[in-house]
Order: sequence, then structure tokens, then C-alpha cells
Amino acid sequence: GAGVSQSPRYKVAKRGQDVALRCDPISGHVSLFWYQQALGQGPEFLTYFQNEAQLDKSGLPSDRFFAERPEGSVSTLKIQRTQQEDSAVYLCASSRRQGKAYEQYFGPGTRLTVT
Amino acid sequence: AQTVTQSQPEMSVQEAETVTLSCTYDTSESDYYLFWYKQPPSRQMILVIRQEAYKQQNATENRFSVNFQKAAKSFSLKISDSQLGDAAMYFCAYRRDNQGGKLIFGQGTELSVKP
Repeated sequence: GAGVSQSPRYKVAKRGQDVALRCDPISGHVSLFWYQQALGQGPEFLTYFQNEAQLDKSGLPSDRFFAERPEGSVSTLKIQRTQQEDSAVYLCASSRRQGKAYEQYFGPGTRLTVT
Repeated sequence: AQTVTQSQPEMSVQEAETVTLSCTYDTSESDYYLFWYKQPPSRQMILVIRQEAYKQQNATENRFSVNFQKAAKSFSLKISDSQLGDAAMYFCAYRRDNQGGKLIFGQGTELSVKP
């Protein structure tokens, strides 16, 4: 089956604009994760969903960041009033279930550039 | 808080030779998982190998093996018979068993393979 897909692959936004990044997880995967990867760094956790419930949003850097997964499948990460420090690759990952040895499958990421 | 450290920003290996990438971590937990991920220039993060902390035996996956030293909190990756396709960023990652599955990544090691 298809892997995790993300769209758009590239997004250029002017400072102050709102953006929405989409993640389509692998069908049937219960858990969904968002990570932020700055240039030359490892990914950093943003938030986590189990089905439609957002169980952990401790990594969201500010209240300008908002994520949702209303039907327990597709997820959207929204960034309001973008700033230059938001420039990064945003990775989405999904896994069959939470915890234990369930592997996280990553999407190709969305590269966000804020000018 | 748990941290993961990769002290080698860049490594180089001759094709067909063996290379070892280092990783140390800090945690007070006894039950956790460790991973090595590969991220080629295409950005798709791929799981290379995983290790459960409760298992004393080091994990192996074909040409990839780990040296897991729990007391020293060390988790190195050995790549044998290196191939050109092994060139990529390699990330060490930690996951606590009861945190829903979020990964904590190191800063990464960029591996180049010389023909």
C-alpha cells in the first residue's frame, strides 16, 4: 500500500501569512506524529494523535501552531502569522498503534520557507 | 528530560569497509527503545535498526548491527561492507515506553561513502 504522504512538498510564505500543511497517514494507522526539522538538525517532536484525540502537544513551540485530525485519518498542521524561525522541514509519521515496538513510518516532509 | 547526543557531525568510509557511528543518551528510565534512522537527501526517514533496552543481545539487520551498552548509555551503529547507497544522514533516536511513541532524536551524523 501507499506510504505516508505530505502536501505540499514545498511552501514559501511571506512573514505574517498563515499556512496549512497536510499529512495523509498509512491507511489504518492509529497514531500520527508531527516533527519539525530545522536545517542541519535532528527532528523535534511537535504533537501526537491517537485516532482523532490529540494526546500530546507539548512540543508545539507557540500558540501560533495548531494541529488537528478530526476524523482520525488525515491531519493538518496550521501555522498562523508565520515567522522566519518557522522555516524548517515538517515531518509527519504514522504507526499502527502507540508504544512498544510499533514502527513509525515517515512521510517525505514539507519544506517551509518564510521570507 | 531525555537527551540523545551524536558527537560525530560527519563520517567518511571507503566502499566495502566498515564504519561505526556513535550515539549516547541520557535517561533515568529502565524501559525504553533505541533506533537508528537513515535520511537520504530525498528526506524520507527510514528505520535502519531498533533495540529494546530490556534485551541484552545486540540487534542486527543484515550489514547493520548495534553495540548497545546500557550501563554506559551508549548505542553505536556499525555498518559493514559499506555501499554507495549507505551515504545519508543517520539519526539515533530514543523512545520511552509509556510516552505514546514520540521519538527524541540526536543531531545526526552525515555519512559519505567513497568509491
